[in-house]
Amino acid sequence: DTAVSQTPKYLVTQMGNDKSIKCEQNLGHDTMYWYKQDSKKFLKIMFSYNNKELIINETVPNRFSPKSPDKAHLNLHINSLELGDSAVYFCASSQERGLKPWNTQYFGPGTRLTVL
Amino acid sequence: KQEVTQIPAALSVPEGENLVLNCSFTDSAIYNLQWFRQDPGKGLTSLLLIQSSQREQTSGRLNASLDKSSGRSTLYIAASQPGDSATYLCAVYGGSQGNLIFGKGTKLSVKP
Repeated sequence: DTAVSQTPKYLVTQMGNDKSIKCEQNLGHDTMYWYKQDSKKFLKIMFSYNNKELIINETVPNRFSPKSPDKAHLNLHINSLELGDSAVYFCASSQERGLKPWNTQYFGPGTRLTVL
Repeated sequence: KQEVTQIPAALSVPEGENLVLNCSFTDSAIYNLQWFRQDPGKGLTSLLLIQSSQREQTSGRLNASLDKSSGRSTLYIAASQPGDSATYLCAVYGGSQGNLIFGKGTKLSVKP
């Protein structure tokens, strides 16, 4: 069984387009995250949601908008895509005590976004 | 601002060797530290999580230690195998930023 799944796995699109990446976790966790891994393989958090509420919003352009329809899903919508948005995007989830991730974060397989 | 550094950036060893990967962090006020493994083109797999009150965690051939006061952690891999080849990432939670901060990883290659 896939714990954290993302779709699509690969996404190739033109500059200026709007695209979405979907994430689902079947672990019953109440916290979900989006991370960006750049071309230098540096992994950095973008957003964190706890029980559908935004907890962490790092310095990310407002073209990126996360949406959590329910606890098991956290989708990432990106407007007006730019070349610099090309990266691998990872979704993750964890079960937290309070708002601190005391427990392991489980990662999805990643979505490789290429903007042409 | 919390910064996580991993040394070395890359490591190549013959099969069977014991090895140590290093991770250092600048802000010792962390809640926990995790070691992950990333295979090429794949997601991250959590290997070990050490809470701030713990000194070490073990899983099979892996042993991770944490010295919070000095801002250091090590991941010890015993009797390395070619299947251990991957990038190993260290991440800390806490400090002033309150989220998971990753190092850039150590790319390990174990030669048969």
